[in-house]
Amino acid sequence: ETGVTQTPRHLVMGMTNKKSLKCEQHLGHNAMYWYKQSAKKPLELMFVYSLEERVENNSVPSRFSPECPNSSHLFLHLHTLQPEDSALYLCASSHQGYEQFFGPGTRLTVL
Amino acid sequence: AQKVTQAQTEISVVEKEDVTLDCVYETRDTTYYLFWYKQPPSGELVFLIRRNSFDEQNEISGRYSWNFQKSTSSFNFTITASQVVDSAVYFCALSELNNDMRFGAGTRLTVKP
Repeated sequence: ETGVTQTPRHLVMGMTNKKSLKCEQHLGHNAMYWYKQSAKKPLELMFVYSLEERVENNSVPSRFSPECPNSSHLFLHLHTLQPEDSALYLCASSHQGYEQFFGPGTRLTVL
Repeated sequence: AQKVTQAQTEISVVEKEDVTLDCVYETRDTTYYLFWYKQPPSGELVFLIRRNSFDEQNEISGRYSWNFQKSTSSFNFTITASQVVDSAVYFCALSELNNDMRFGAGTRLTVKP
């Protein structure tokens, strides 16, 4: 069984849509992360949750809204996105400070 | 502030050649961790290795080896006898105590048959 799963794997949405990305980890970790990976750009850390509390928000626009209802689940709620938000969104989990294990990512296209 | 530099943007080799991916890091902490990840075309980042700052012993795992040198703040990754399946983007990363991981920009390795 894959340690970190993400759904959906692919998502196409219009700029006025509202959608959510889901991440689930089965590794017993206490921290979860959202990253954005755009073409030819470094990985950008968006949000960090440690013990279900948000500990970092790297100046991410408010059209991205994370939610961590428990230590195994992480959501990224999307609304009124822009075309430049098209990217691969990766979820990861870890024990704080140790190696992160990544999900397969959601390839998002905003039309 | 922690920083990771992977100066090689893209490398192309022919199968069976050895290739070394460079990673240089900056940190003010004496305790930190270094990592390498592989991102194949499927997109998922695969964890390869973690090294802590107190362990400078080089490591070998099959065709993979890592050279950690604190004197030059480098943590280089060598693939011996490269194969087409090694084609991927490779990321080096650094984590300080109580800080989250910071990734380098990545090196795209293409291994041609």
